[in-house]
Order: sequence, then structure tokens, then C-alpha cells
Amino acid sequence: DQQVKQNSPSLSVQEGRISILNCDYTNSMFDYFLWYKKYPAEGPTFLISISSIKDKNEDGRFTVFLNKSAKHLSLHIVPSQPGDSAVYFCAASNNYGQNFVFGPGTRLSVLP
Amino acid sequence: DTGVSQNPRHKITKRGQNVTFRCDPISEHNRLYWYRQTLGQGPEFLTYFQNEAQLEKSRLLSDRFSAERPKGSFSTLEIQRTEQGDSAMYLCASSSGHTDTQYFGPGTRLTVL
Repeated sequence: DQQVKQNSPSLSVQEGRISILNCDYTNSMFDYFLWYKKYPAEGPTFLISISSIKDKNEDGRFTVFLNKSAKHLSLHIVPSQPGDSAVYFCAASNNYGQNFVFGPGTRLSVLP
Repeated sequence: DTGVSQNPRHKITKRGQNVTFRCDPISEHNRLYWYRQTLGQGPEFLTYFQNEAQLEKSRLLSDRFSAERPKGSFSTLEIQRTEQGDSAMYLCASSSGHTDTQYFGPGTRLTVL
């Protein structure tokens, strides 16, 4: 049973528009969430995190929203750029950073 | 470059052989993690170390798998009697504390024929 789900395997967005990547989780004990970006032949790269005491965290073009009651988080990228094209993983932990559970990823394609 | 490094980057082996991978974390990081990633899936947690102590092992880590971090610096992951189902990308990550970001290496891609 997948505890972290990313139901959209892929997403295409026009350059300059907003990209919204979604993530749902089932374990209500998760208290720390991260988004990673992965390019081919490279390891995942950390993007942004959020703890369960917050509902929003921003870092430049990236904003993560957390809805604890819905067990849902989303990553917004505004404006989207072609260099953002990658696979995005959502990850969650119930020990504030120990042994993360990753979702299967969403492949984002930003079209020029 | 002072990021996480992993060697080898690719390993092809025959079923039944033993393989060993190495991970060199970022030097000041005391936590080191191993993950496995198969096609179309996110990384799956295998085990982690705080300094030289192995603090947690996933049930995915069968008795054919062993990991060490003898001096609290680099780590090795050994798979004995490899099976075709072991074919995957093996990722290593390090962090300076359990609330800190995990920085990933490029991974070792294992192919078992």
C-alpha cells in the first residue's frame, strides 16, 4: 500500500505558466514533507520542505502548500521555465526527517 | 566538488555474484542513508547510519544485504548472491542532522543478468 501518492505520472505546462504538482498521503503521523527534483542520470536534488505546523512555505518561484485535513500537499512553480523539466518526488516522514517515504514521481515537461 | 559521491556508477553482474557499492557523504554530515529506486518508482528507504551506528533497517533489506560505515565516514552496501530482482538504482544520501536536508549522490545502477 503506497503511503505517498502522486497520481499524475506526467504533466506538461507552457513556459511562463504555473505548474502545480500534487501529492496525497495516507499516514496521518507524517509531520515533515519535502519535494525533490531529479534530472536523468543524477540523484534527486532537494527543492523545498514544509513541516506540519505550517500550511505554506515559499522559496523563490517554488511554493509548497500543505492541507493536513485533506492529507494533501502541492508544489507550485511560477513562472515555469524549460529548465524545470524533470521528475518531481514528494517525500514524507513521521519522525521529522528520518526514513522518508517517497511518492512515485511526476514528470514535468515545460514547453518553450 | 564536495557533494555525495558513489562508486561505481554502473555495475553489471551475473546472478549469484556478490557486489559492493561505496558512498562517500559530504564530509561534515553525520547521517548517511541508502535507498533503492526501481523504474517508475520513488526511492525506497533501505537503512541509515548516524556516525558509525546503523540505527534503522527496512524490511526491504533482506539478509543478503549488508551495510557498513566503519569509521563514520564512507559507507559500503554489499549484496550477496545477487538476484535479477536486485536490479535497481542504489542511492546514497547524507545529512547533518535528522531534520536537515538529505543530499543525494548520483546513484549506482545495478543490472543483474
